[in-house]
Amino acid sequence: DGGITQSPKYLFRKEGQNVTLSCEQNLNHDAMYWYRQDPGQGLRLIYYSQIVNDFQKGDIAEGYSVSREKKESFPLTVTSAQKNPTAFYLCASSYGIRYGYTFGSGTRLTVV
Amino acid sequence: KNEVEQSPQNLTAQEGEFITINCSYSVGISALHWLQQHPGGGIVSLFMLSSGKKKHGRLIATINIQEKHSSLHITASHPRDSAVYICAVTRGGSEKLVFGKGTKLTVNP
Repeated sequence: DGGITQSPKYLFRKEGQNVTLSCEQNLNHDAMYWYRQDPGQGLRLIYYSQIVNDFQKGDIAEGYSVSREKKESFPLTVTSAQKNPTAFYLCASSYGIRYGYTFGSGTRLTVV
Repeated sequence: KNEVEQSPQNLTAQEGEFITINCSYSVGISALHWLQQHPGGGIVSLFMLSSGKKKHGRLIATINIQEKHSSLHITASHPRDSAVYICAVTRGGSEKLVFGKGTKLTVNP
């Protein structure tokens, strides 16, 4: 079955460490997105990529980095520069704005 | 003021009740999305609409472009409908989604 796989589901890291969240899709979608969700707030866009080897900053990109070396994969690195990294992270993909979006099951990151 | 506002923030219903969740937006849009987020966190896309009305099973979504307003209705609600329902819009000419804060629905048996 086609879909988006995010791993791991839960992730714990010590403060000051970089951590990479995985997002893989087998839907042949061109566009991929990373969102952050905090309690009581709507999802906010971190980074997005519309084609391989190209990506753009979203609304809250500071302290995060991404790569898009393959169409299927869009990993997100939470760096030590991110001041408040504990959150729920969602990955999504799309053929384009006329076709809707598919979301992953998310990764809950806790930094202690 | 947020670009996408949802009401109510929380909603508790008895099984079988008719439920309405509202979404208002303040920007020009190319499409509006209704999403469902279960307690585990994963999100499922329910509807994408740019005009009129769509129906899928017990779920109905409507949109009024002139009034910048959309509603999600659930008929004959069931405890398995308990989830957070999120309204999101794509601004005209952009692929990026702008999300509301969600409505937490609890349906009691």
